[in-house]
Amino acid sequence: DAKTTQPPSMDCAEGRAANLPCNHSTISGNEYVYWYRQIHSQGPQYIIHGLKNNETNEMASLIITEDRKSSTLILPHATLRDTAVYYCIVRVAGGTSYGKLTFGQGTILTVHP
Amino acid sequence: EPEVTQTPSHQVTQMGQEVILRCVPISNHLYFYWYRQILGQKVEFLVSFYNNEISEKSEIFDDQFSVERPDGSNFTLKIRSTKLEDSAMYFCASSDAGHSGNTIYFGEGSWLTVV
Repeated sequence: DAKTTQPPSMDCAEGRAANLPCNHSTISGNEYVYWYRQIHSQGPQYIIHGLKNNETNEMASLIITEDRKSSTLILPHATLRDTAVYYCIVRVAGGTSYGKLTFGQGTILTVHP
Repeated sequence: EPEVTQTPSHQVTQMGQEVILRCVPISNHLYFYWYRQILGQKVEFLVSFYNNEISEKSEIFDDQFSVERPDGSNFTLKIRSTKLEDSAMYFCASSDAGHSGNTIYFGEGSWLTVV
């Protein structure tokens, strides 16, 4: 599995954009980048995923560099409820490992009032 | 929004007892998974299941564990002869296809405490 590297923690002021970086320099051409978050000990919540192009949904935007070696998750207007652990995951393509998401330690995002 | 539901939310069991954790995946999904998270540790993959067969399992998923889809809606994880170190949050997940571009959705978890 391609390894991801994330900062252990980040802070953000409420109402400001939170930009969470992730490095995945060994990613293969057909592997997707997924972002999940986990609030307290709740189940991981899907946020967004992408392959090559930038993606946007109602929760966030995902910016993937042209060489695909890094990405940034953007929460455009962070709220206190966005305080969580954010996981950047490279998902194995093909074979029988399609369901195996390898979670790292993630980034603890703390949103301050 | 469709969601994965899990029962029980919390179960306390004595060491050596058998436990069954239940999950109702999202209705049109065909691929099912179990993950676990020991308190303070990472979320770990246990097993994936498709077409009534295990597709992949981790080294954690030994003979003590089994999975089953007993009917058209439920997906269960059985832990035989529980040990103290089985205490963890167990997450069920599902996806509609096996391609890595298809999102895996997680339930809220079942917290298992072995005493």
